[in-house]
Amino acid sequence: GAVVSQHPSWVICKSGTSVKIECRSLDFQATTMFWYRQFPKQSLMLMATSNEGSKATYEQGVEKDKFLINHASLTLSTLTVTSAHPEDSSFYICSASGRTEAFFGQGTRLTVV
Amino acid sequence: GENVEQHPSTLSVQEGDSAVIKCTYSDSASNYFPWYKQELGKGPQLIIDIRSNVGEKKDQRIAVTLNKTAKHFSLHITETQPEDSAVYFCAAGGGTSYGKLTFGQGTILTVHP
Repeated sequence: GAVVSQHPSWVICKSGTSVKIECRSLDFQATTMFWYRQFPKQSLMLMATSNEGSKATYEQGVEKDKFLINHASLTLSTLTVTSAHPEDSSFYICSASGRTEAFFGQGTRLTVV
Repeated sequence: GENVEQHPSTLSVQEGDSAVIKCTYSDSASNYFPWYKQELGKGPQLIIDIRSNVGEKKDQRIAVTLNKTAKHFSLHITETQPEDSAVYFCAAGGGTSYGKLTFGQGTILTVHP
C-alpha cells in the first residue's frame, strides 16, 4: 500500500526556537495533505489542510502564524512550529489522501523544554 | 461541524472473546467511516472502512456495520488475540478527500491471554 513518511520521528527543542516537520508521500502524488495533533491519551485533532501550490486551510482555534504549513510539491508538505513553547509539546501526525483511503505518517513527537 | 462520539473508552476481554466498539456521528453529509488501530508512539493504521452505500463489511476477524438512519457505526472483532491490544479510533469524513477526518475519542482495548 501507499506510504507516507514523516521526519523526524521525534525532536526536542528549546523554548523559543522553531521546528520543521516533513511529511512525504513516497509512491503517490498528494495534492492535499492534512496535519493532526494528538495530546497524550487523547484523540487526533485536525489542525489544517495543506494544499499543493496554495495556502493552507486552518481549523478554528489553530494559529496560522504559529503553525506554518508549506506544500511546495505534490509529495512534500512541511509543518513549522514557530517560537515553540512547552504547551506545543505533542504528537504531530500527517496524512495524505489516496484514491480510496487516507494514509498516515508514523508521527513526530515534539518536546519543547 | 462533525462530532463523533465513541464508546467505551476502555474495553478488557479474554483472548478468544469478541470485542465491540460503537460510534455515533452528527453530520448526515459524512459518507466515509474508517477505523484505525494505533499502537504506542505510532501513527494510526487503517484496519477497515465502510462507505455510506454499504451496511456491513467484513475482513477476516474484523467487521464494521453502519446504520445511516441512526448515524451509528460499530467495529466488531471476533476471536480476539493479545496482539489486538491497542487503541482503536473511529472516524468520519465526507466528500472525496479521505484524509479530512473527525476522530472519536478512542478505545483502549486490552486482550488478556
